Amino acid sequence: ETGVTQSPTHLIKTRGQQVTLRCSSQSGHNTVSWYQQALGQGPQFIFQYYREEENGRGNFPPRFSGLQFPNYSSELNVNALELDDSALYLCASSLRLAGTGELFFGEGSRLTVL
Amino acid sequence: RKEVEQDPGPFNVPEGATVAFNCTYSNSASQSFFWYRQDCRKEPKLLMSVYSSGNEDGRFTAQLNRASQYISLLIRDSKLSDSATYLCVVRNTNAGKSTFGDGTTLTVKP
Repeated sequence: ETGVTQSPTHLIKTRGQQVTLRCSSQSGHNTVSWYQQALGQGPQFIFQYYREEENGRGNFPPRFSGLQFPNYSSELNVNALELDDSALYLCASSLRLAGTGELFFGEGSRLTVL
Repeated sequence: RKEVEQDPGPFNVPEGATVAFNCTYSNSASQSFFWYRQDCRKEPKLLMSVYSSGNEDGRFTAQLNRASQYISLLIRDSKLSDSATYLCVVRNTNAGKSTFGDGTTLTVKP
């Protein structure tokens, strides 16, 4: 196992609601990134956090926001949920911001928006 | 056009076959390259990094052509356990971003 844990594993929300997903990174990893994976597609980069600061963001609207805490755990918040937000949300931790550090993924949070 | 493009497949091959996957990327600022493997309804896991000189790990060989912005993965002597989706990943460390392709699905049959 990677040591990256995500919660909740599954959840169902309705349009317009807000959701918070949580991620505990592998011990010693200081960088966390979040991805959205829709069915049949590859993971799409949402954003990355390094030492509690956002460091890199993909093409996602501002209603996708995040936090990283001093213990390097992280949250992904999505406001005003839309049907297209239904996807698997993956958190990945890595040891280094730069370089070729491997991404270690959690098992993901599967969000269904009705 | 997507930043990272892969042939989606599916590739259906018999055990023992050799199969090759290709990937192209559009951002010349990309600095690091990887192949990840994703089993059905599981998280992606690193298969191997890809180096300019090419690299091999057992039955797996990865190649990178920076001039053509092209990455490949060759699997020799396919096993049933190789059945999975293979994701091509390029990383721009300056932008703090890793970009995944949509994956190539491989099914190895007895």
